[in-house]
Amino acid sequence: QVQLVQSGAEVKKPGASVKVSCKASGYTFTSYYMHWVRQAPGQGLEWMGVINPSDGGTNYAQNLQGRFTMTRDTSTSTVYMELSSLRSEDTAMYYCARDLTSGAAAGTADWGQGTLVIVSS
Amino acid sequence: DIQLTQSPSFLSASVGDRVTITCRASQGISSYLAWYQQKPGKAPKFLIYTASTLQSGVPSRFSGSGSGTEFTLTISSLQPEDFATYYCQQLDSYPLVFGQGTRLEIK
Repeated sequence: QVQLVQSGAEVKKPGASVKVSCKASGYTFTSYYMHWVRQAPGQGLEWMGVINPSDGGTNYAQNLQGRFTMTRDTSTSTVYMELSSLRSEDTAMYYCARDLTSGAAAGTADWGQGTLVIVSS
Repeated sequence: DIQLTQSPSFLSASVGDRVTITCRASQGISSYLAWYQQKPGKAPKFLIYTASTLQSGVPSRFSGSGSGTEFTLTISSLQPEDFATYYCQQLDSYPLVFGQGTRLEIK
């Protein structure tokens, strides 16, 4: 079965960077796009971006451009997201989520357990 | 960018009720819409894709409809485990935004 296992919680100071991993198993890693979604405390879901694990191509939310990077390591079936110049508003639960299909986007059926990132001085 | 507006933002209902949540897109998105359910402290659960296709394992009391700019999620007979927050997401074009959510609570 599909499993997405994320790295553990992080506490960072404002201005620092954070890198979160998402290790995939149970399917062909390069066949399904992977997304990152975050949720600030008490708030709704925010789509951050997507990566094609096959060729590394990405698409990011405009408000994160310049601070947000998604990468992948096909040898370990792992996707990473890195967010720099952290501010308090970046405090959130961060989720990786896999596309339902290997073709056109239809939604994300499988989700990681979430990684809590706290930004505090 | 496409914007999604859900209504209502908050809904109070009783077990056995039929409830409908609406999601309106700022421009036409054909049937490229998904619905999720989220309970406190948990990752979202995928319910419906392409506006009306039920994900495997999701109870048949859930249904989705709509195309273009207006979509609905209907729960035909609320069960205790259905009280949660529901989100729509458009898959037509990047960024793949979510609606702001509808919180469904027990009356």
